[in-house]
Amino acid sequence: DIQMTQSPSSLSASVGDRVTITCRASQSISDFLNWYQQKPGKAPRLLIYAASNLQRGVPSRFSGRGYGTEFTLTITSLQPEDFATYYCQQSYSPPTWTFGQGTKVEIK
Amino acid sequence: QVQLVQSGAEVRKPGSSVKVSCKASGDSSSKYILTWVRQAPGQGLEWVGGVIPLLGTKKYAQNFQGRATIITDGSTNTAYLELSSLRSDDTAVYYCARERSTCDGTICYKTFDYWGQGTLVTVSS
Repeated sequence: DIQMTQSPSSLSASVGDRVTITCRASQSISDFLNWYQQKPGKAPRLLIYAASNLQRGVPSRFSGRGYGTEFTLTITSLQPEDFATYYCQQSYSPPTWTFGQGTKVEIK
Repeated sequence: QVQLVQSGAEVRKPGSSVKVSCKASGDSSSKYILTWVRQAPGQGLEWVGGVIPLLGTKKYAQNFQGRATIITDGSTNTAYLELSSLRSDDTAVYYCARERSTCDGTICYKTFDYWGQGTLVTVSS
């Protein structure tokens, strides 16, 4: 099975900061990589698909890049509503899906 | 607007079974493919199982082989997840999610674009 590893596991940042989260796959997954945001008590929300494509309705301060085994999610100018946990997910081998362990973005 | 509505919270004893439902509505032009993901308290997301669309067969994560059964009812756009031989570590919120394909030429990218509200299953003696 493909393993997904995110770093860091958590980070503290201030409103207005630029934040970058990294996700690494245990084998090449091309650009079959999705990012989700989850707030406490809520279901995950799709942010980015195919490594760099913004889901409709997602603010443009979110961006993704990467190919193969290394990927990043960047939030430019962090907003109060962005404090949440972020998960990467490989979609290279459906219907077997793997998520990263999550990165919690907290207020400094 | 697509909506996935799940059944309510359940409490079960170890060794018993539970069946959670997920009813999809709102986009009659799409054929729903629903998958299941769970999240233990304070933990990350774990894929439980889903459907292989072209074959109509189900596939399950290794951790759930032999214990999980996914049933789909196309006439009502409802999916069910049944989990048997419950253990205390099966205590989790179980989510259904709609699998969607977005194609760029011959390459199709799959995502979970809509999610249910989650069903808390508590396993306790």
